[in-house]
Order: sequence, then structure tokens, then C-alpha cells
Amino acid sequence: EDKVVQSPLSLVVHEGDTVTLNCSYEVTNFRSLLWYKQEKKAPTFLFMLTSSGIEKKSGRLSSILDKKELSSILNITATQTGDSAIYLCAVGTGNQFYFGTGTSLTVIP
Amino acid sequence: EAQVTQNPRYLITVTGKKLTVTCSQNMNHEYMSWYRQDPGLGLRQIYYSMNVEVTDKGDVPEGYKVSRKEKRNFPLILESPSPNQTSLYFCASSPQRPQETQYFGPGTRLLVL
Repeated sequence: EDKVVQSPLSLVVHEGDTVTLNCSYEVTNFRSLLWYKQEKKAPTFLFMLTSSGIEKKSGRLSSILDKKELSSILNITATQTGDSAIYLCAVGTGNQFYFGTGTSLTVIP
Repeated sequence: EAQVTQNPRYLITVTGKKLTVTCSQNMNHEYMSWYRQDPGLGLRQIYYSMNVEVTDKGDVPEGYKVSRKEKRNFPLILESPSPNQTSLYFCASSPQRPQETQYFGPGTRLLVL
């Protein structure tokens, strides 16, 4: 059974802290791993990682794919209150996407 | 503006009354998909479509139907809604295969009484 597991389920940090979110997967026919940010609306795309692109960075956010360990991490440095959201990990296979249940991040001033 | 639209955004209905949630994208995407999102369960794929007239079941297809007669539209049909279909529904599209990033619609919050 294909599955994606995220940890921790939730996280509360202070502004300025660095956080690491984890995503592990067991799927057949892995094609890509995607990170999304979801506030009180639809998920918005952050990164896509594939076998040919295992590391991505955008500002304070970065992500790495470890194909050997079947996992990925999402790092957020110097967190801000605007980073408070649910972070979703999804894995794309030949035909489908499988999502984890998400990590809820709360950044307090 | 490139977007995925869904209608209605909010819907309250009663058990057994057929309903349709529309989804439309203006990006000429081939791949479209429906998800439901429930607390503690995350996003689960209901149905997906690789192209016009090609649809397939996702992880939780029971109680739902879809059709893809045109490239831009992918309606979700609940023939006889039940309370366990109360959920937040998202439509999404991507250019081709699902390894590419998906663009999500704004969501439809459905309550079945």
C-alpha cells in the first residue's frame, strides 16, 4: 500500500527559530515529491523534487530529497509568524498523488 | 489569469439529494484530479483524469462519479450524498503527468445532513 508519513504532526516555535519538517514515503513507481503550504485555503506549491533535482531552495525555505532513505526534509530558517500553516508533502507516481496528513506549524511572536 | 475554479464554494444539502460540484481550468492542462480533505486524514484522491474521456479511481472513489467530456472541465457528482461525505473538496490540475506540480482550486466545503 502506497503511503506518505509526515512528522511531527504539529510544531510550535518562536519567531526566529529554525524548523525541520520530515516526510517519508513508501510508494511504487516514485516520480516526484512535492511540498505545499496550506493556510486557511487551498494548498500552494513550494517545491518539487525529483531524481534529477534533489535539492531546492527559495529564500528561507529549502528542501532535500533522500532517495536512499525514501524521505525528504523541509527546512525553514528564521521563522516568521507568516510561516504559520499546515505543510503538506505529496508523492507523485505514474498516475496518482499520495499526500501525508501534514505538519501544523505555529510560529509565535 | 491562470486558475482552477470550483463551484459552489459552500454547499449544505440533505442525504440522498444528487449534487454536482463543477471544476474548470483555463491552463490547457491534461491531468485533473479531485481530493477530499478531512481532519487527521489529510488529502485523499477520489478520482483523476489523464485526459479527455480517460478517468480512473483514486483511493476513495466510493459514492462519487466523474466525467471528462472536455479538457477544461472535470465535474464531481454525488449521486446520493451521505453524511460521511461531509468534507472539504479540492479540484486540481497539472500540465501532464502527476509528477508535475498541481494547481489547486479554492475548495468546496460540503455539509450533508
